[in-house]
Amino acid sequence: DAKTTQPNSMESNEEEPVHLPCNHSTISGTDYIHWYRQLPSQGPEYVIHGLTSNVNNRMASLAIAEDRKSSTLILHRATLRDAAVYYCILRDDPGGGADGLTFGKGTHLITQP
Amino acid sequence: GAVVSQHPSWVICKSGTSVKIECRSLDFQATTMFWYRQFPKQSLMLMATSNEGSKATYEQGVEKDKFLINHASLTLSTLTVTSAHPEDSSFYICSASGLAGLTDTQYFGPGTRLTVL
Repeated sequence: DAKTTQPNSMESNEEEPVHLPCNHSTISGTDYIHWYRQLPSQGPEYVIHGLTSNVNNRMASLAIAEDRKSSTLILHRATLRDAAVYYCILRDDPGGGADGLTFGKGTHLITQP
Repeated sequence: GAVVSQHPSWVICKSGTSVKIECRSLDFQATTMFWYRQFPKQSLMLMATSNEGSKATYEQGVEKDKFLINHASLTLSTLTVTSAHPEDSSFYICSASGLAGLTDTQYFGPGTRLTVL
């Protein structure tokens, strides 16, 4: 899996948008960008993934740079329940389910009331 | 959405004993299940991949004779930590992917916290 770089931690205020960046300058043309998050003392959960176009779902939005060397996970209104470690992972299969995932250190999101 | 359960959620055992952890896909059939380990304040590390009816594939550095994996059905995989020692104390997490193959995501269980005394 190609390497990704994320800030160690970020802080946000409740009810405000949060932009979590991820750099992946060595991404290949067939790599999908996946985001997972891990709430405290729980297993990770899938958030969103995309290839080239921006993606939206009920949890978040994914903005992908035109050159695909970076992406941003957007939580439109952060809540205290969004406090978690967010992982950006590159995979060459669309769903990410074919092989085990390689987790980096991720970004620890701290939300303040 | 797809649900994966693990049992037990936590276990404490004495050094030298064996512990079995179950991972079940509750509402879908999982062709592939994965086992991860997470030490405190560290990220998840993939231990092994198991396909139903086949032998598990272990990552480098993971002892296959110590961490026995059985994936006997499309909804159940088990991880047995044999002769557990304090350094095996960790958070063990399984995940499963379904029959959609390449387009299916991984669904994670809630994890099992193992403490070896």
